[in-house]
Amino acid sequence: DAGITQSPRHKVTETGTPVTLRCHQTENHRYMYWYRQDPGHGLRLIHYSYGVKDTDKGEVSDGYSVSRSKTEDFLLTLESATSSQTSVYFCAISENTEAFFGQGTRLTVV
Amino acid sequence: KQEVTQIPAALSVPEGENLVLNCSFTDSAIYNLQWFRQDPGKGLTSLLLIQSSQREQTSGRLNASLDKSSGRSTLYIAASQPGDSATYLCAVRYTYKGGGADGLTFGKGTHLIIQP
Repeated sequence: DAGITQSPRHKVTETGTPVTLRCHQTENHRYMYWYRQDPGHGLRLIHYSYGVKDTDKGEVSDGYSVSRSKTEDFLLTLESATSSQTSVYFCAISENTEAFFGQGTRLTVV
Repeated sequence: KQEVTQIPAALSVPEGENLVLNCSFTDSAIYNLQWFRQDPGKGLTSLLLIQSSQREQTSGRLNASLDKSSGRSTLYIAASQPGDSATYLCAVRYTYKGGGADGLTFGKGTHLIIQP
């Protein structure tokens, strides 16, 4: 498996609280992505990064922010969690060709 | 906007059959196409990557083809086994927002069951 670690793997949080998910890679890949996966919608891009401090919005970015202060770490923050953000979140990395995915974080907002 | 469609959405066949899973995309300006496998509750495992200049790739019992001009790809699974049961996802890599970076757009997958 590519060296991608997502943390936490599972989290339950209350509506209105901030939540940060972490993606850590050991492959030194330039590109990092956050996706969410929901029944009926498949995988959708939230935010992506093309280098340290270089990030941009994806298809479903509202309510999310990201930061990348080091090549190896890409953080996804839900500023004020809502029930609609209950989902499975996947991090992915790539270096211009093949993309590799982490094992996912299951987030439940109650 | 790039859209990816996978047909069929679900498929159940007896062990030993040869299968074809279909993927179509609306914008032919892609860098590559990647097929993934996802087991229940797990992450995505990359199966095959086809660059935009290539026509097909093979790995073991899997063969993927790409016809970029018509916006189609197929994943061929030979001599299917119960262990092949999973959801298969097709994704195209394209230039998101016209430059700066690129992203993957996914189909919703084909849920495959191989009956022993």
